[in-house]
Amino acid sequence: EAGVTQSPTHLIKTRGQQATLRCSPISGHTSVYWYQQALGLGLQFLLWYDEGEERNRGNFPPRFSGRQFPNYSSELNVNALELEDSALYLCASSLAVLAGASETQYFGPGTRLLVL
Amino acid sequence: GESVGLHLPTLSVQEGDNSIINCAYSNSASDYFIWYKQESGKGPQFIIDIRSNMDKRQGQRVTVLLNKTVKHLSLQIAATQPGDSAVYFCAEISPNQAGTALIFGKGTTLSVSS
Repeated sequence: EAGVTQSPTHLIKTRGQQATLRCSPISGHTSVYWYQQALGLGLQFLLWYDEGEERNRGNFPPRFSGRQFPNYSSELNVNALELEDSALYLCASSLAVLAGASETQYFGPGTRLLVL
Repeated sequence: GESVGLHLPTLSVQEGDNSIINCAYSNSASDYFIWYKQESGKGPQFIIDIRSNMDKRQGQRVTVLLNKTVKHLSLQIAATQPGDSAVYFCAEISPNQAGTALIFGKGTTLSVSS
């Protein structure tokens, strides 16, 4: 069974540009999560999508946004890129999250974004 | 084997030794905990998980211990191998009305020498 896949593996942009990152979840998973892993800062939660809806977002500005498609794949968009946005962006997926329950999140290999 | 009482950013062991990696979690309401292994240039890989109604869970060569009284989690790796060298993160989930985002610990870099 294929795991979580992400594209591209690497992305180089300049300050002020927009970046689009893509994620395909494990088959059967409906929830997709995005995390940022910046050097020295650990993994920080960005966004959670489930059934096409944004369910939760972390402490990031609105220029970080995304969406989930009917096939449960997801896009993360980062507008007006800043140098500090350089990081590894990780996507994870899980089974549907029922009220009061927690599900294991499985991660993809990440997209390394470099902003020059 | 080598044991650490508090979280340390690095742990160096010899091949064949047992390793113990510790983690203090933050939220007493967290009910689900996961250990991930992250090798250089790769995404975190699921190792083992434990729910708050348990205090111990065993996998293949790994054991997770949960002490809810002091909010402490540990990962034990038996007969550590060079391929175990990586950064290990503990993560907790605190379910709430807003969702279930993983909260990650700081990570411990395990170095295994042969």
